[in-house]
Amino acid sequence: DSGVTQTPKHLITATGQRVTLRCSPRSGDLSVYWYQQSLDQGLQFLIQYYNGEERAKGNILERFSAQQFPDLHSELNLSSLELGDSALYFCASSAHGSAGDTEAFFGQGTRLTVV
Amino acid sequence: GQSLEQPSEVTAVEGAIVQINCTYQTSGFYGLSWYQQHDGGAPTFLSYNALDGLEETGRFSSFLSRSDSYGYLLLQELQMKDSASYFCAVRDSGGYQKVTFGTGTKLQVIP
Repeated sequence: DSGVTQTPKHLITATGQRVTLRCSPRSGDLSVYWYQQSLDQGLQFLIQYYNGEERAKGNILERFSAQQFPDLHSELNLSSLELGDSALYFCASSAHGSAGDTEAFFGQGTRLTVV
Repeated sequence: GQSLEQPSEVTAVEGAIVQINCTYQTSGFYGLSWYQQHDGGAPTFLSYNALDGLEETGRFSSFLSRSDSYGYLLLQELQMKDSASYFCAVRDSGGYQKVTFGTGTKLQVIP
């Protein structure tokens, strides 16, 4: 158990809908990362937060947004969903999100299926 | 930006040794990590190299050459449970130090 909790584990929704994925980082970790993994693909970096503030942005679509709350949990919002958004969405956390962090801890992921 | 290249698939025999290579291009570089991911599971951390040389952790070793922008993961005494995908990842030294993953190498261990 990595200590990172993601909910829900599975989500099935229709095209055009909006969903929210939730992540609770490991206790004490200030940085949260979101990744998208499509079938048999690598991990695409979406966005990183550190202590409530956006730290880095990757290939995140404008239809997607995220935030990190004062209690450090994070939410990834996906709207106007398309079939191609079906993927595993992983959240990871690390202590500081800096060079001193040699390891990131991943949650079990949310499998999103858009039908 | 960053890009990382790994072989897409590798097959090896149980008990043997296998090396998974990773070459990277980054605008800045702090270190190279390796993660293991079983099908449908979460990536789990294996090793991290910030300096040139070999780091050994049990059956797994990881090597880095910063001058060649190259690293590898060495798995010894392969076991069936080592069948998984292996990702290299770099943390860049830009202002935000994000972590970028390679596309992954699917290792199949056969009897």
